[in-house]
Amino acid sequence: EAGVTQSPTHLIKTRGQQATLRCSPISGHTSVYWYQQALGLGLQFLLWYDEGEERNRGNFPPRFSGRQFPNYSSELNVNALELEDSALYLCASSRPGTSGGIQETQYFGPGTRLLVL
Amino acid sequence: AQKITQTQPGMFVQEKEAVTLDCTYDTSDPSYGLFWYKQPSSGEMIFLIYQGSYDQQNATEGRYSLNFQKARKSANLVISASQLGDSAMYFCAMRLSGGYNKLIFGAGTRLAVHP
Repeated sequence: EAGVTQSPTHLIKTRGQQATLRCSPISGHTSVYWYQQALGLGLQFLLWYDEGEERNRGNFPPRFSGRQFPNYSSELNVNALELEDSALYLCASSRPGTSGGIQETQYFGPGTRLLVL
Repeated sequence: AQKITQTQPGMFVQEKEAVTLDCTYDTSDPSYGLFWYKQPSSGEMIFLIYQGSYDQQNATEGRYSLNFQKARKSANLVISASQLGDSAMYFCAMRLSGGYNKLIFGAGTRLAVHP
């Protein structure tokens, strides 16, 4: 069974540009999550999509947005890039549900390293 | 406020020995899940083990076991028979029930396994 895939692996942008990151979940998983791992800030929850809808959002400005497609893959868009957006962006997927049980374990992809110059 | 605390920034262990990585959590929610993930230098987060708040027994997965002490709000990871490939960052995380689904991560512990 294929794991979560993310593209690109690395992305270099300049301040003010837009970045688009992509994620394909594990087959059978309908929920996709995005996390940011920035130096010194740890892992922070960004967004949760399920069945094409945004279900929850972390404490990030509106220039962080995304969407989920009918095949459950997802895009994360970061507009008006700032230097502090440089980070590893991790995508995770899980089976649907909100009970908090092991069946909803989030499995992560390899990440996209975004560097903003 | 929901929070995960990992007080050991770095740990080292001799190959084939056991090591315990500490994790304490704070929540008033009675229903939650606790997770441990391993992050090698490549960056990918690898799921290791899960403990539900209502589970009566400590979770085990191969060489990994979770020492769950609910009253103390601790969920320490025990790695037995350490291997060189265990060298990585280890993150403790918590997920609350109720539809929020986000994982709350600790700061992580960097484990170095020495031959």
